[in-house]
Amino acid sequence: AQTVTQSQPEMSVQEAETVTLSCTYDTSESDYYLFWYKQPPSRQMILVIRQEAYKQQNATENRFSVNFQKAAKSFSLKISDSQLGDAAMYFCAYRRRREYGNKLVFGAGTILRVKS
Amino acid sequence: DTGVSQDPRHKITKRGQNVTFRCDPISEHNRLYWYRQTLGQGPEFLTYFQNEAQLEKSRLLSDRFSAERPKGSFSTLEIQRTEQGDSAMYLCASSLAGAENTEAFFGQGTRLTVV
Repeated sequence: AQTVTQSQPEMSVQEAETVTLSCTYDTSESDYYLFWYKQPPSRQMILVIRQEAYKQQNATENRFSVNFQKAAKSFSLKISDSQLGDAAMYFCAYRRRREYGNKLVFGAGTILRVKS
Repeated sequence: DTGVSQDPRHKITKRGQNVTFRCDPISEHNRLYWYRQTLGQGPEFLTYFQNEAQLEKSRLLSDRFSAERPKGSFSTLEIQRTEQGDSAMYLCASSLAGAENTEAFFGQGTRLTVV
């Protein structure tokens, strides 16, 4: 079974600074997707960034980038120029790359606090 | 269509009562998922549908839980004889089958409190 581990229950960052959230995962599959989702308080979960395991290049989306280390099964999220609106719970998630049943396996989450 | 909608947003019920939640996915999405999220944890998969067929159920989905998607559009999740351990956020998500890069879109969830 696949598992996702987020070892940082809570992180804080000063506005405009950079923060990195950690994630490790365990799988015997070689082909899969990894995701970071953001869940603001009382609001729906939205996708921040996605990484295909077969791609060596790390994904980037504006201020968000990942460091994907396949051999180490590590997938960290870097948020640059942090903004107050980045404050939320962040979940790392895994999904097998198959036609059927693309259910997500989530980590326990990291609460990100942004200080002004 | 503005996204996945769930109803109600909050439900308080007494232990032993039955509750039913509804999820309306994004209209063109043929896959629909239910997840459960307890406080301080990540969502856990419960079940998913492709069109009206329920294709997978987690062992978390006990006999007291039943989900339906009768016409391949909206879905309902019913919990019978609720227990305090059922208190959680129930999330619905939808996606498109057949698109490899498909993204799951989530609703705001239904927060269930069993007293």
